[in-house]
Amino acid sequence: GAGVSQTPSNKVTEKGKYVELRCDPISGHTALYWYRQSLGQGPEFLIYFQGTGAADDSGLPNDRFFAVRPEGSVSTLKIQRTERGDSAVYLCASSLATGGIGNEQFFGPGTRLTVL
Amino acid sequence: DQQVKQNSPSLSVQEGRISILNCDYTNSMFDYFLWYKKYPAEGPTFLISISSIKDKNEDGRFTVFLNKSAKHLSLHIVPSQPGDSAVYFCAASSFGTGGFKTIFGAGTRLFVKA
Repeated sequence: GAGVSQTPSNKVTEKGKYVELRCDPISGHTALYWYRQSLGQGPEFLIYFQGTGAADDSGLPNDRFFAVRPEGSVSTLKIQRTERGDSAVYLCASSLATGGIGNEQFFGPGTRLTVL
Repeated sequence: DQQVKQNSPSLSVQEGRISILNCDYTNSMFDYFLWYKKYPAEGPTFLISISSIKDKNEDGRFTVFLNKSAKHLSLHIVPSQPGDSAVYFCAASSFGTGGFKTIFGAGTRLFVKA
């Protein structure tokens, strides 16, 4: 079956612009996660959805970042007034369950965001 | 505050020998630990996991050991193969009332030489 897909694969934007990054999780996965990965670092947790609701958004760095998952499937990460420090690979993952065994997350290939 | 630490940025091993990747954590509330493998330009892929009620989990060439008193886990790969060359991430999580947040280490790059 299809894995997690993310679009676009690459996004180059100018400082101050607005961007949207899309994630299509594996069908039937109720949990969806967004991470940000900078060079030489591991994935940094941003937000986690269980169904349509954000169960934990404690990783969002500031109010310029927002994510939605209106129908419990596709999710969009939105970044307003982008800054050069937002440049990173944004990873999306989904999983069947939300705790313990079965919480193995399946990752998409990521969107590489470059803010000039 | 790094809650999950992988202190070795890289490791080089000869094909056929054992690879041992280490990970330390600070949060005693973590109750589930995972290892992910990542190739360039791809997302991480799940490798093996262990819950805090166990001290060992084995899957083929991969074994994860958990020492809760030391807050330390390790991944053993034996025998190592050139295709194992990748970045390995240790991750830890706890099922709290707010959700299921997973914290990743910075990764260790494994080179397996033929």
